[in-house]
Amino acid sequence: NAGVTQTPKFRVLKTGQSMTLLCAQDMNHEYMYWYRQDPGMGLRLIHYSVGEGTTAKGEVPDGYNVSRLKKQNFLLGLESAAPSQTSVYFCASSKDSSNQPQHFGDGTRLSIL
Amino acid sequence: GNSVTQMEGPVTLSEEAFLTINCTYTATGYPSLFWYVQYPGEGLQLLLKATKADDKGSNKGFEATYRKETTSFHLEKGSVQVSDSAVYFCALTLPFGNEKLTFGTGTRLTIIP
Repeated sequence: NAGVTQTPKFRVLKTGQSMTLLCAQDMNHEYMYWYRQDPGMGLRLIHYSVGEGTTAKGEVPDGYNVSRLKKQNFLLGLESAAPSQTSVYFCASSKDSSNQPQHFGDGTRLSIL
Repeated sequence: GNSVTQMEGPVTLSEEAFLTINCTYTATGYPSLFWYVQYPGEGLQLLLKATKADDKGSNKGFEATYRKETTSFHLEKGSVQVSDSAVYFCALTLPFGNEKLTFGTGTRLTIIP
């Protein structure tokens, strides 16, 4: 019962480098989300998806892109990393409507030097 | 817009003490309310939820009652344990088209033996 799996768990990048964070869920959930967690700010929604092939902007989308080519996967891309993107990133999924609980991965700690 | 205000932390209590973590919200419409818990090094887990006024959510000895008149959803536990040490997040979502969870900033709870 893997639930939501995020890879990698840790990564250090240099400013300007690109990378992709992968989120995979095995619960057949329709909705998937990417958040960032920063000290004193709680979790903020970056992008989300309400189904395969769909994506939408959240609260803090700038500097990030996402893709949902397969229902079980939700990818978060940083095209040109900046120090302000140093954060812990969490992926989550939920069955369908927003009233359903969200299931979270264990997070990816990303540092941009 | 929608927002969640949580009691500032950190909170430190002795084992078996009574716990209250305050949460108030601002929302248009009738939100569903949640408490999530984050243990060290892990993602968030749903602790309890309530979807309409006067509902009481409960789990693992924790309780919270949806109070529409005071727009509050305070988390309580009668006797805390060391294993309850974690960060607690209050959150809301609006049904019927608004797919986003809005989180409070989190309250770090430490229980000392």
